[in-house]
Amino acid sequence: GENVEQHPSTLSVQEGDSAVIKCTYSDSASNYFPWYKQELGKGPQLIIDIRSNVGEKKDQRIAVTLNKTAKHFSLHITETQPEDSAVYFCAAVGGYQKVTFGIGTKLQVIP
Amino acid sequence: GAVVSQHPSWVICKSGTSVKIECRSLDFQATTMFWYRQFPKQSLMLMATSNEGSKATYEQGVEKDKFLINHASLTLSTLTVTSAHPEDSSFYICSASGLAGRSTDTQYFGPGTRLTVL
Repeated sequence: GENVEQHPSTLSVQEGDSAVIKCTYSDSASNYFPWYKQELGKGPQLIIDIRSNVGEKKDQRIAVTLNKTAKHFSLHITETQPEDSAVYFCAAVGGYQKVTFGIGTKLQVIP
Repeated sequence: GAVVSQHPSWVICKSGTSVKIECRSLDFQATTMFWYRQFPKQSLMLMATSNEGSKATYEQGVEKDKFLINHASLTLSTLTVTSAHPEDSSFYICSASGLAGRSTDTQYFGPGTRLTVL
């Protein structure tokens, strides 16, 4: 089955700096890679996603890159703000909509 | 679009009782709904996948007789935890896919239900 590794597990950045979270996956059949933000006591919220036929996607301060050959994908948050503090999960989706999540990264943005 | 609700948001029950959790897609018809379980500071663990009008597909290790899933309509799925025990205490989250205009593999999550079994 699919295995998704995510790092770092925790990340602290100063407000205004950039944050990068990296994930790797094992199953070459995975073709869809969403990123979710989860605040304490709430469900995950989809923030950006990318498909295997695209190398990069950007939405305002958030960008995701995908290297299908290396099976790597990363989340980039620029100009971080305190409200960006949360747990971020990467995921890889293959056949039958089976989603495999990473372990999560707790991001803390220090004002 | 893509709003998913859960009810209740939290529930406390006695050991041995059953608890029902509802998951609704409020502004779209969900062809598929998923149920996850999340322990503190851990990732989401898929419990089962359900399609409207058919039996749910459970992940390995998940007891289908203990976690009953009903997907009665395109906007409602329910998870019933039967004969709950303290080890069933967890955060249960549903998700739904099928939003028009988006790929069927994009899942939208509900806010979660915190279950505490005494």
